[in-house]
Amino acid sequence: GAVVSQHPSWVICKSGTSVKIECRSLDFQATTMFWYRQFPKQSLMLMATSNEGSKATYEQGVEKDKFLINHASLTLSTLTVTSAHPEDSSFYICSARGAGVAFFGPGTRLTVL
Amino acid sequence: AQSVTQPDIHITVSEGASLELRCNYSYGATPYLFWYVQSPGQGLQLLLKYFSGDTLVQGIKGFEAEFKRSQSSFNLRKPSVHWSDAAEYFCAVGASTGTASKLTFGTGTRLQVTL
Repeated sequence: GAVVSQHPSWVICKSGTSVKIECRSLDFQATTMFWYRQFPKQSLMLMATSNEGSKATYEQGVEKDKFLINHASLTLSTLTVTSAHPEDSSFYICSARGAGVAFFGPGTRLTVL
Repeated sequence: AQSVTQPDIHITVSEGASLELRCNYSYGATPYLFWYVQSPGQGLQLLLKYFSGDTLVQGIKGFEAEFKRSQSSFNLRKPSVHWSDAAEYFCAVGASTGTASKLTFGTGTRLQVTL
């Protein structure tokens, strides 16, 4: 099946700094990618839909100025957590749909100290 | 709005026993249904999907699921569980197979396998 990668796989940062997470579709083009957040032992919560060449669409309650999304090309979307705080610590997962199926990246564990 | 319910938060089965994980969905039109598995600290891996046609679908790792429209269900089954099947299982529904179509996930069922 299709492969989606994420980088980094884990990151620890100080409160107040910004962190960028990359999501790449390795063997297919994705005009749309999705960013999820997952708290421990909980389900995935959709944060936003990333659209190549246009602005992302954010879900209700997600701060667009806090979570900046850029879909620079058909194979790359980035999520930047700006001025991160401890409550932003979470597992962030991206996905891209190919042939009707959503393929997921391996996730990025963010810990904000 | 579409929604997914996984009634069982946690299930424990013995290795070699059969397994059934329940999933009920709510959606007004024809649903596109998926089962994913997540190992700790990992992303999600697709087990199987239902788009149309035969209501009994086969997936990877010996899993199967049956779509029952009358019951709005898409239960996941495996005849004989292996210890390596211990993981979190998520049922999801999508409005279409389009690339921009969002998935809605259930809350997940954690499977524990005893030896």
